[in-house]
Amino acid sequence: DAGVTQSPTHLIKTRGQQVTLRCSPKSGHDTVSWYQQALGQGPQFIFQYYEEEERQRGNFPDRFSGHQFPNYSSELNVNALLLGDSALYLCASSPDRDPQETQYFGPGTRLLVL
Amino acid sequence: DQQVKQNSPSLSVQEGRISILNCDYTNSMFDYFLWYKKYPAEGPTFLISISSIKDKNEDGRFTVFLNKSAKHLSLHIVPSQPGDSAVYFCAASVRQGAQKLVFGQGTRLTINP
Repeated sequence: DAGVTQSPTHLIKTRGQQVTLRCSPKSGHDTVSWYQQALGQGPQFIFQYYEEEERQRGNFPDRFSGHQFPNYSSELNVNALLLGDSALYLCASSPDRDPQETQYFGPGTRLLVL
Repeated sequence: DQQVKQNSPSLSVQEGRISILNCDYTNSMFDYFLWYKKYPAEGPTFLISISSIKDKNEDGRFTVFLNKSAKHLSLHIVPSQPGDSAVYFCAASVRQGAQKLVFGQGTRLTINP
C-alpha cells in the first residue's frame, strides 16, 4: 500500500500564475482534505472533498479551488498566486464510513512563489 | 483566532527521561484530540488520540492526558529516545472521523544522547 501520494514534490511559480497540485489517497479511502502549512506554523484546513463534492471549507479565498475524481484522487488549484501562498501543501485521506480511522497525510508539495 | 495553541516552540530532553508536550484549546465544541509527529520532508504521522469522554489514553511509550475543565491536553513520552526528535502537532476536531482538523503551531522536540 503506497499510502497517500502527492505530486509534484516541489514547485516554483511567479506571482499571478496558477498552480495545480495532485493527491492520490490511501487505498480504501474516499475522503480527501487539503491543508496549507506556512513556515513555522501548523497545518491549516483548506477544504475537504467527498463523493466529488466540496463538503467542508476553511477560511481560504475563492482563489483556492479543488476537484475530486471518481477514483477519489484530488486536485488543488490556486489562481492568481501571491507571495503569501508559499507554503507546504498537505493532502490527507480517510474513509468516510469508518469514523475510527484517522486521517493519513501525504509528504506534501512545497510551493514557492517568487 | 488560534483555537489550538502550543506555547512552547521547542523542547530539549535527555535520552531516557520523560518528554511532556502541552497543548491548550479554546473551542468547547472540540470533542476529539490527536497528536501528530512530523519529520522533515515527510507528512505528519498520527501518534495517538483521545476522545473527550476519556481523560487518559496510553499506547506504549506515549500517553495523552486530557483536562476538559482546563481545556488542556498533554503528551507524555517515556522513556524518550533519539528517534523521537521531531516536530509534534496537537490537533482537535468536533468529532472523530473524517473531520476538519484544527492544528496547533507545533513543538520541536530534541532528544539529546
